Amino acid sequence: GDSVTQMEGPVTLSEEAFLTINCTYTATGYPSLFWYVQYPGEGLQLLLKATKADDKGSNKGFEATYRKETTSFHLEKGSVQVSDSAVYFCALYTQGGSEKLVFGKGTKLTVNP
Amino acid sequence: DSGVTQTPKHLITATGQRVTLRCSPRSGDLSVYWYQQSLDQGLQFLIQYYNGEERAKGNILERFSAQQFPDLHSELNLSSLELGDSALYFCASSLRQGPEKLFFGSGTQLSVL
Repeated sequence: GDSVTQMEGPVTLSEEAFLTINCTYTATGYPSLFWYVQYPGEGLQLLLKATKADDKGSNKGFEATYRKETTSFHLEKGSVQVSDSAVYFCALYTQGGSEKLVFGKGTKLTVNP
Repeated sequence: DSGVTQTPKHLITATGQRVTLRCSPRSGDLSVYWYQQSLDQGLQFLIQYYNGEERAKGNILERFSAQQFPDLHSELNLSSLELGDSALYFCASSLRQGPEKLFFGSGTQLSVL
């Protein structure tokens, strides 16, 4: 079945550091890929998405590129802020497949001033 | 604010009891999804309804049931509760059948003592 593997957390960075959170996937078919973010005490919010190979999703300074050859969708940000502290989830959805959004286990990011 | 309302925010109950979690989707959204979030299992998809009909089923126990009413709000019923059912239960909604963009509520924290 479809699955998503994220790098183990937690990740702790200083403000203005470069962020990478790795995500790889296994899917039967051609999935759409997503990053969701969960701030403390809140529900998940869609951060960015990509629907086909080589697409780059971007939002709030975060970027991720859909790499079909390496089945990856790594999340990056050039300069993190304290307000980026949250849990980040990689997810995939395959239309005509399981018809559900499959999430990774999440990676907790803490940014210190 | 995602526009998805979940009640109650917190629920404390005893083993063997039955509880009902309620979700009001964003105005205009026809799909409602239920997810369970726990430390060991991560985010697990339970069930989806679209315009009143069950659309997809995930890892939902037989002790759990759900429905979507004509006004599109949804309820998740959990019965014969066990300690292991303690988790954060999220509802999410989307306009269409597929989960291309989900809007999550802030969740119901269930504690079974």
